[in-house]
Amino acid sequence: AQSVTQPDIHITVSEGASLELRCNYSYGATPYLFWYVQSPGQGLQLLLKYFSGDTLVQGIKGFEAEFKRSQSSFNLRKPSVHWSDAAEYFCAVSVNNYQLIWGAGTKLIIKP
Amino acid sequence: DVKVTQSSRYLVKRTGEKVFLECVQDMDHENMFWYRQDPGLGLRLIYFSYDVKMKEKGDIPEGYSVSREKKERFSLILESASTNQTSMYLCASSPSTGGNRYGYTFGSGTRLTVV
Repeated sequence: AQSVTQPDIHITVSEGASLELRCNYSYGATPYLFWYVQSPGQGLQLLLKYFSGDTLVQGIKGFEAEFKRSQSSFNLRKPSVHWSDAAEYFCAVSVNNYQLIWGAGTKLIIKP
Repeated sequence: DVKVTQSSRYLVKRTGEKVFLECVQDMDHENMFWYRQDPGLGLRLIYFSYDVKMKEKGDIPEGYSVSREKKERFSLILESASTNQTSMYLCASSPSTGGNRYGYTFGSGTRLTVV
């Protein structure tokens, strides 16, 4: 069955430090992959997506993600985090023409 | 700016009430979704619709129904609200073209408390 795993429930990073959030998926074909961010009390906002081509994709707010087929991974990175990046981050994979399978989310905490 | 609008940010309802959560999108999307989000349980799909008057059950449809009379509007109905339906409800939409490569656009959410 298709699944998405975000192994870290919480991650704490100092402001200005680099960030990597992990995402692994289980899916037979080449997937469409997404990262979303959710600020407290808000809906989800699309950060970036991959569906073909260059395996390193750039998104909004200075985020990027790299698709690695051999590792079934789509990790999210940012070179230097800001306090405003504190939020919950969700990875998702498209499994058909309309449904996404979601990871459980990773809550990012920023230390001043 | 394209958007998905959920009619209420916060709602407080009494046990046994019939509750309507409204969602409207202005992007001419065919697909619309209702999720609930609870701490530790992530996003769980309640219902979705891929066309007007069409609906499909998601993972947790019990206690809910939906209505899609117009393309832009997708309503979630709690027939008889119960305290275990206290949650954050998220509406989303997506286009049918492109095989889901565009992902979803979400509303801001409705935090429902049933007392």
